[in-house]
Amino acid sequence: QVQLQESGPGLVKPSGTLSLTCTVSRGTISSTNWWSWVRQSPGQGLEWIGEISHNGITRYNSSLRSRVSISVEKAKNFFSLTLNSVTAADTAVYFCARVYTSSWYRYLDYWGPGTMVTVSS
Amino acid sequence: EIVLTQSPGTLSLSPGEGATLSCRASQSVNYNFLAWYQQKPGQAPRLLLYGASRRASGIPDRFSGSGSGTEFALTISSLDPEDFAVYYCHHLVDSPSFGQGTKVELK
Repeated sequence: QVQLQESGPGLVKPSGTLSLTCTVSRGTISSTNWWSWVRQSPGQGLEWIGEISHNGITRYNSSLRSRVSISVEKAKNFFSLTLNSVTAADTAVYFCARVYTSSWYRYLDYWGPGTMVTVSS
Repeated sequence: EIVLTQSPGTLSLSPGEGATLSCRASQSVNYNFLAWYQQKPGQAPRLLLYGASRRASGIPDRFSGSGSGTEFALTISSLDPEDFAVYYCHHLVDSPSFGQGTKVELK
């Protein structure tokens, strides 16, 4: 079955840029499915960040749109998250997930284990 | 932007009891794009239901879902000790968002 794994720095300085990669294995990123980022601040609920299709169409959470970018690298089977001008409020566990997409349904069926990112000087 | 509101915030129950979790949308949602997830501490969320009522692969039949429009529910017919967790509803169209979660805790 499809596996996803997040990777990237665990510590980012305030006003800096958070960059994470999600590597997809046992499946191809070049499919009809989309690929998503979700985060969870300590002790809080889930927050949808955004998603990208295999051909680069993106959608973002309106509250983050000015700072966020998601890209896809089909040849290497990974997609990435970039979040600019970070503050302590961006400290969270970041998850990547596959968005199963068909004519009838959409849902997040496979998730990475998550990676903790702390924003601190 | 559609806001999903879950209730109650916390359910305190004993194994064997039933549970009903509510998810209310601020405007009508296509039920095909409404999903439920279970999350345990330190773990990624796990897909339980999609299309509001369809169980994901490997999910026991004690989990069921219902609803349409703005009102959705997740029902656990008889709580197993492994079911104590936080549950989220999620819609995945237009501006996707999650509910704030319902914690099912051991009484």
